[in-house]
Amino acid sequence: KQEVTQIPAALSVPEGENLVLNCSFTDSAIYNLQWFRQDPGKGLTSLLLIQSSQREQTSGRLNASLDKSSGRSTLYIAASQPGDSATYLCAVRPESGGSYIPTFGRGTSLIVHP
Amino acid sequence: GAGVSQTPSNKVTEKGKYVELRCDPISGHTALYWYRQSLGQGPEFLIYFQGTGAADDSGLPNDRFFAVRPEGSVSTLKIQRTERGDSAVYLCASSLRGTSGGTHSTDTQYFGPGTRLTVL
Repeated sequence: KQEVTQIPAALSVPEGENLVLNCSFTDSAIYNLQWFRQDPGKGLTSLLLIQSSQREQTSGRLNASLDKSSGRSTLYIAASQPGDSATYLCAVRPESGGSYIPTFGRGTSLIVHP
Repeated sequence: GAGVSQTPSNKVTEKGKYVELRCDPISGHTALYWYRQSLGQGPEFLIYFQGTGAADDSGLPNDRFFAVRPEGSVSTLKIQRTERGDSAVYLCASSLRGTSGGTHSTDTQYFGPGTRLTVL
């Protein structure tokens, strides 16, 4: 059974810092990995999706990398802003079997203070 | 355009009661997913619909949980004889396509805001 772990569980930083959030998974047979953002009382918003054949994806100040063989992904946030405060979740879809339902990590709760 | 909506946003009920949670997916999306998210946890899969049929209900915890999507759009998650352990946020997501014939869809899932269920 796939297990997804996110470290750290919580992070509080001053505005302007560059951040790295980590996601690891136990079964490397994945189809893709996706990073989401969740604001309090809201649903999940997709940030970046990396296919298993890709090494990284970038969107604005966000960069996500994937090392499938070692079961790791990182989300890099450059020049953090208070508006980045949220919980960040990663999810992996399996390569085969069933309905390819994603497995989520518990998330990293990020607070960026002015 | 309109996103995924869920009603009610909050539901408080007593142990043993029956509840229904509603999800309105994005118009035209054929795939619909239900997840349950407990405090401090990531979403856990419950059931996946492709059109009107439940393509995968392997995540439903027991027979007190049931979901329908009779016309291939709106879906209702039904919980009978609620227990305190059912308290969680229930999330719904839809995507343009799901998976069929063993092939993947890379479509992004769009999530609703969730229904927070509290069982007293």
